[in-house]
Amino acid sequence: DIQMTQSPSSLSASVGDRVTITCRASQGISNYLAWYQQKPGKVPNLLIYGASTLQSGVPSRFSGSGSGTDFTLTISSLQPEDVATYYCQKYNSAPFTFGPGTKVDIK
Amino acid sequence: EVQLVESGGGLVKPGGSLRLSCAASGFTFSTYTMNWVRQAPGKALEWVSSISGSSTYIYYADSVKGRFTISRDNAKNSLYLQMNSLRAEDTAVYFCARDSSTWSQYYFDYWGQGTLVTVSS
Repeated sequence: DIQMTQSPSSLSASVGDRVTITCRASQGISNYLAWYQQKPGKVPNLLIYGASTLQSGVPSRFSGSGSGTDFTLTISSLQPEDVATYYCQKYNSAPFTFGPGTKVDIK
Repeated sequence: EVQLVESGGGLVKPGGSLRLSCAASGFTFSTYTMNWVRQAPGKALEWVSSISGSSTYIYYADSVKGRFTISRDNAKNSLYLQMNSLRAEDTAVYFCARDSSTWSQYYFDYWGQGTLVTVSS
């Protein structure tokens, strides 16, 4: 099975900073990658699918890129409401594995 | 408005069984693949199982294969997860999640609030 890894596992940044999270697949998955945001105590929220397509209603400061095995989620200007854990998920074929998550908080 | 409401969680002994339900509303249930995703306390999301709209395609994570059975009743707009031979490591909040498209994309745009399953003696 394809394994998903994320880096870093956690990060702390200042409001307004540009934040980048990396997700790596152990084998190529084309662009079958989604990103989710899970705020503390809340259910996950779909941010991006197809590696780079923003889900309706998601702020434009979020963006995604990548294809094959390496992907990134970027928050162009970190806001206090972005404090959350971010997960990538592959969906090219079963199992539809999630990454281990990246916890983002405010410095 | 899309709503997914899970029920059936609780405390069960190792080796025991439990059946989770997810009541769906606000969309044409039969046309969407539905999914179960779990999250152990303080841990990452883990995809558990998926079932297509007509129940033709069913997938399981290796960690639950042979012990869990996903099913659906389109007449009742309901999704189920029958969990047998439960282990301590199955302790988690179990989320019901809708596929993002009627074309079975296997990423998830609506999630229920989850139901907690605790496996402990």
